[in-house]
Amino acid sequence: NAGVTQTPKFRVLKTGQSMTLLCAQDMNHEYMYWYRQDPGMGLRLIHYSVGEGTTAKGEVPDGYNVSRLKKQNFLLGLESAAPSQTSVYFCASSYSGGVQPQHFGDGTRLSIL
Amino acid sequence: DQQVKQNSPSLSVQEGRISILNCDYTNSMFDYFLWYKKYPAEGPTFLISISSIKDKNEDGRFTVFLNKSAKHLSLHIVPSQPGDSAVYFCAASASYTGGFKTIFGAGTRLFVKA
Repeated sequence: NAGVTQTPKFRVLKTGQSMTLLCAQDMNHEYMYWYRQDPGMGLRLIHYSVGEGTTAKGEVPDGYNVSRLKKQNFLLGLESAAPSQTSVYFCASSYSGGVQPQHFGDGTRLSIL
Repeated sequence: DQQVKQNSPSLSVQEGRISILNCDYTNSMFDYFLWYKKYPAEGPTFLISISSIKDKNEDGRFTVFLNKSAKHLSLHIVPSQPGDSAVYFCAASASYTGGFKTIFGAGTRLFVKA
């Protein structure tokens, strides 16, 4: 029972490089989310999707893009990485929104030098 | 502007005693509240939730209390066990036409001493 799987688990980038974080869920959930966690800030929503082919901005979307081409996958892209994007990134999914608990992956630790 | 605040960064409790984790919110539109537990190097996992139409929800050793007038909720763990040592996140959710919003607090790290 994989649940939510994030790839990679760790990555170090140089400023200006690009990369894509992959999230895959096997629970047939409609909703998927990308968060970042920084010390003292809790989890902040970057982008989310309410179904295949849809995306929407969250609380801190600047500098990130997302795509949901398949229901089970949600990709987070950094086009030109900046040191301020050093963080732990969590992907989550849920059956629907609001009252439904979210299921989280184990996170991707991203360092940008 | 932090809409969901967990003012205690950490809490230390003796095994067998009660742990009380607190959470305050500012937006009266929040109508559903959730607690998540997070171990190091893992993602948060759902623990317990409560609707704004209730003031208490219990699940085994875990009870969440909601005081809407004070915009305050708390998570009680009785009795506390060393395996409960983790970071606990409070989350508040509001539904509106066309969508919803869920805001997480900064978390409280609980240490349960054996």
